[in-house]
Amino acid sequence: NAGVMQNPRHLVRRRGQEARLRCSPMKGHSHVYWYRQLPEEGLKFMVYLQKENIIDESGMPKERFSAEFPKEGPSILRIQQVVRGDSAAYFCASSPLGYGEAFFGQGTRLTVV
Amino acid sequence: GESVGLHLPTLSVQEGDNSIINCAYSNSASDYFIWYKQESGKGPQFIIDIRSNMDKRQGQRVTVLLNKTVKHLSLQIAATQPGDSAVYFCAENYGSGNTGKLIFGQGTTLQVKP
Repeated sequence: NAGVMQNPRHLVRRRGQEARLRCSPMKGHSHVYWYRQLPEEGLKFMVYLQKENIIDESGMPKERFSAEFPKEGPSILRIQQVVRGDSAAYFCASSPLGYGEAFFGQGTRLTVV
Repeated sequence: GESVGLHLPTLSVQEGDNSIINCAYSNSASDYFIWYKQESGKGPQFIIDIRSNMDKRQGQRVTVLLNKTVKHLSLQIAATQPGDSAVYFCAENYGSGNTGKLIFGQGTTLQVKP
């Protein structure tokens, strides 16, 4: 049973471009969470999704950020018109239930130049 | 606001000694707590968890203690090894509404000296 898979591991974008981060949850997991981690800081919750539904997006910036978890395929975190402040590690986690232990992927490190 | 925080940013211990990492939380409604270990360049790795109806839980070389009176959580690592060197985060899960949303503390860096 493969773990949570995130790709790409590293992503470089110029200011103004779009960044698309992908997350495939563990097999059998229908709950996905996205977190952002700035250097030397803890992880900050962004959004919680179930298949085809956004359950909690209280940590998502109001503009430029969006997330989806379609019926088929991976969850996508999309950042439009990236700025340097978006540079961070973005982690995805999944769980079989919407409560309790969540398993994390290795993260995508976004660098905006 | 509500937050989870760690008392010390860096802890340095001798190999073989026991380590204690502390965490304070402020949301009295939290009912589930998790300790994660994060090595450089990797994602957080689950270590141990504890529910609010427990005071103590033991794993392999690790013990988590929960003091709800003072809203304090600690992680004890017995016979610390070089492979334990990492950043350790406590996280709380509100659980209300079944969201599974985690609130992480800032992290404590554990350095193990050979």
